[in-house]
Amino acid sequence: DAGVIQSPRHEVTEMGQEVTLRCKPISGHDYLFWYRQTMMRGLELLIYFNNNVPIDDSGMPEDRFSAKMPNASFSTLKIQPSEPRDSAVYFCASWTPTWETQYFGPGTRLLVL
Amino acid sequence: AQKITQTQPGMFVQEKEAVTLDCTYDTSDPSYGLFWYKQPSSGEMIFLIYQGSYDQQNATEGRYSLNFQKARKSANLVISASQLGDSAMYFCAMREEGYQKVTFGTGTKLQVIP
Repeated sequence: DAGVIQSPRHEVTEMGQEVTLRCKPISGHDYLFWYRQTMMRGLELLIYFNNNVPIDDSGMPEDRFSAKMPNASFSTLKIQPSEPRDSAVYFCASWTPTWETQYFGPGTRLLVL
Repeated sequence: AQKITQTQPGMFVQEKEAVTLDCTYDTSDPSYGLFWYKQPSSGEMIFLIYQGSYDQQNATEGRYSLNFQKARKSANLVISASQLGDSAMYFCAMREEGYQKVTFGTGTKLQVIP
């Protein structure tokens, strides 16, 4: 298995632009998580899905953030409009209860100028 | 209240020596799992080791072992024979039974000195 795949790996954009981050979970994993990591706040859970359905989005910081999972093999995290304080590393992770741990993707480093 | 506490922001260890990274946790749930992840400078999150609350023995994975003291609610990571490649951030994490969310600590930055 290729593991969790995220794209792009790096994104530089200007304030006000729309940013879309993409994630392909491990096949057969029915949970998908989006995290944000910053120096100030550490690793924060933004939202997670079970069987493509959002279960808990209480970590989504503002209405500018949205996430979708149209099918079992694809999810997006969108920021519109982006702001400099959104600069962070965004991780996607997938999990199935038959496994002990979540597996993380390589992350997307986002810089908003 | 913090559910996962890592009190060591940074640590140094001499190459080939053993090092212990501290982690304490807080839960009233009798069933939970504890994890350690490594994050090197390249940024990826690498799963190292897992301990279930009902496991009788401490988990081990190669040079990594988890010193699990349930009564003290501690789950320290022990790295034996440190290598330069062990220099990284290390995160302790917990999942409580019935919850899919994992709570992470703030991390410990380990630097291995040649």
